[in-house]
Amino acid sequence: ETGVTQSPTHLIKTRGQQVTLRCSSQSGHNTVSWYQQALGQGPQFIFQYYREEENGRGNFPPRFSGLQFPNYSSELNVNALELDDSALYLCASSLGGVAGELFFGEGSRLTVL
Amino acid sequence: TQLLEQSPQFLSIQEGENLTVYCNSSSVFSSLQWYRQEPGEGPVLLVTVVTGGEVKKLKRLTFQFGDARKDSSLHITAAQTGDTGLYLCAGAYRSNDYKLSFGAGTTVTVRA
Repeated sequence: ETGVTQSPTHLIKTRGQQVTLRCSSQSGHNTVSWYQQALGQGPQFIFQYYREEENGRGNFPPRFSGLQFPNYSSELNVNALELDDSALYLCASSLGGVAGELFFGEGSRLTVL
Repeated sequence: TQLLEQSPQFLSIQEGENLTVYCNSSSVFSSLQWYRQEPGEGPVLLVTVVTGGEVKKLKRLTFQFGDARKDSSLHITAAQTGDTGLYLCAGAYRSNDYKLSFGAGTTVTVRA
């Protein structure tokens, strides 16, 4: 059974740039959720993709966008990066479009300078 | 804003001691989960509780869901250095909720 994998693991960007983060879901899982974890905080829900459609969204601006591919892998795109976007971005896979029991990847650490 | 309040924020104990961490909210949850996160890793699910008053045991870890389904606790007996990590509670408001709401976590350090 293949676990959740994310890439890249670390990256540094400057304000105003754009970034794309990638996630491969666990084998057999059709739902991918993205969370942002700032230093010293718990994960905050960004959005969820289920069967290639956005299934729910948290309190994040439209410059945070994503998509899910037919193989259930997913991308998170952030445009016009701000300093406060510096965080650990976590991808989690699950089944059936519900939060359920989440299986997280190791995360992508984004630093915005 | 974290709707789930976890306490304490930090906890440092000697190996062999017991510890309890708490997760409280003013909201009722359909289910509540506990995760452990180690540095450089994503959170790993420890347990899910769904029934008010439920108690679950996982080796030296005991999890309890409050009767009103608004709070939970995690108790570790005879802590080991391998128990070191960030403990996160997360709740779903409805059984078919698409997201989990996480607390800020309790950082537990077990000293040898």
